[in-house]
Amino acid sequence: DAKTTQPPSMDCAEGRAANLPCNHSTISGNEYVYWYRQIHSQGPQYIIHGLKNNETNEMASLIITEDRKSSTLILPHATLRDTAVYYCIVRVVGNQFYFGTGTSLTVIP
Amino acid sequence: EAGVAQSPRYKIIEKRQSVAFWCNPISGHATLYWYQQILGQGPKLLIQFQNNGVVDDSQLPKDRFSAERLKGVDSTLKIQPAKLEDSAVYLCASSREAGGEQFFGPGTRLTVL
Repeated sequence: DAKTTQPPSMDCAEGRAANLPCNHSTISGNEYVYWYRQIHSQGPQYIIHGLKNNETNEMASLIITEDRKSSTLILPHATLRDTAVYYCIVRVVGNQFYFGTGTSLTVIP
Repeated sequence: EAGVAQSPRYKIIEKRQSVAFWCNPISGHATLYWYQQILGQGPKLLIQFQNNGVVDDSQLPKDRFSAERLKGVDSTLKIQPAKLEDSAVYLCASSREAGGEQFFGPGTRLTVL
């Protein structure tokens, strides 16, 4: 079972920052938070992952709260191509990924 | 580098028929995964291979689903016999090592009539 909670859908204006929240209140100390996204009719695509510290790459930033019970994925300047379903995943012991239902992000022109 | 390849992209069969899907992972990736994604849901892991050995198949319906990864490279997933509820997209993914970043193929969309 997925160990994360995400809002089912969000909208964001093109060019603005998209902030996607995720709750993972039962996360263990050695579990990472991963974010993937899935554009319609494609396989999921890796975005970013982190353990404790905030992370940034060319696609997004990941902000993890100090107690690690929640995190936020930030797309700094959303484009229409960022319209997708975004999955927040906690990697459990055994290296499996459990996907929830994700957040469907719609970027509006 | 080339991505994960899957075939066919689409398949339509009638219930009780058999079907097989093929996956070619990224070269050098030791770990291979098969997922089932039902419409409106996130992907669900069916089976994980490490080289040619099965690491986890706890969610694979073994009465009708089977998978193999001979020689530790390509993999096939078979359903025999298919049921209506097997209609889904079947995704293959690979990673350089277990727990690493997973790269997904485009999936095979199966429709069982």
